[in-house]
Amino acid sequence: QVQLQESGPGLVKSSETLSLTCVVSGHSISSGNYWGWIRQPPGKGLEWIGFIFHTGSSYYNPSLKSRVTISVDTSKNEFSLSLTSVTAADTAIYFCARHVSSTGHYYYHMDVWGKGTTVIVSS
Amino acid sequence: EIVMTQSPATLSVSPGDRATLSCRASQLIGTKLAWYQQKPGQSPRLLIYDASTRATGVPARFSGSASGTDFTLTIDSLQSEDFAVYYCQQYNDWPPLTFGPGTKVDV
Repeated sequence: QVQLQESGPGLVKSSETLSLTCVVSGHSISSGNYWGWIRQPPGKGLEWIGFIFHTGSSYYNPSLKSRVTISVDTSKNEFSLSLTSVTAADTAIYFCARHVSSTGHYYYHMDVWGKGTTVIVSS
Repeated sequence: EIVMTQSPATLSVSPGDRATLSCRASQLIGTKLAWYQQKPGQSPRLLIYDASTRATGVPARFSGSASGTDFTLTIDSLQSEDFAVYYCQQYNDWPPLTFGPGTKVDV
């Protein structure tokens, strides 16, 4: 059974860098699929941040692209999120999720999610 | 960017009722649409993908349909555990993958 678990600081200071890691168990990242991040501000909806393939190929939400980097460490079976120059608007629950495609490529939805980790940006 | 809208924002129903949730895409996306259920304090759970295919383990009372840019999630005979927020997500044209704002199903 595939499981994802997010970890990282729950409090980040404004203008600094938010860094989170998602550890995958029950499935090898190297076997395929894209692995990505979604966030949810308090009481609001879901925003897709981006995803990465085990080869390192990554795609990002254009609204965040200048500040986001997603990386992968296949030896640890984990992937990470880095978001620079954070502000209060980046306060959210951050979820990691496996992205899958019923056609084998391009058309991705999320079938397995981590429980999420709350990040608060303080001034 | 494809914008997703959902209606109504809140749907008040009773256990045993049928719930009909709507989602509309700002342009044609074929059947590249998923539905997720999110309960308070939990992560989203995949219910439906490709507009009408139930995910593994999802009860048959959940069904999805598509017509042009309009999509519908129907929950037959609502159970108490179905009260939650439901999101649609398009994956036909990205980046970005985009979600609707959600519909809350409550009593």
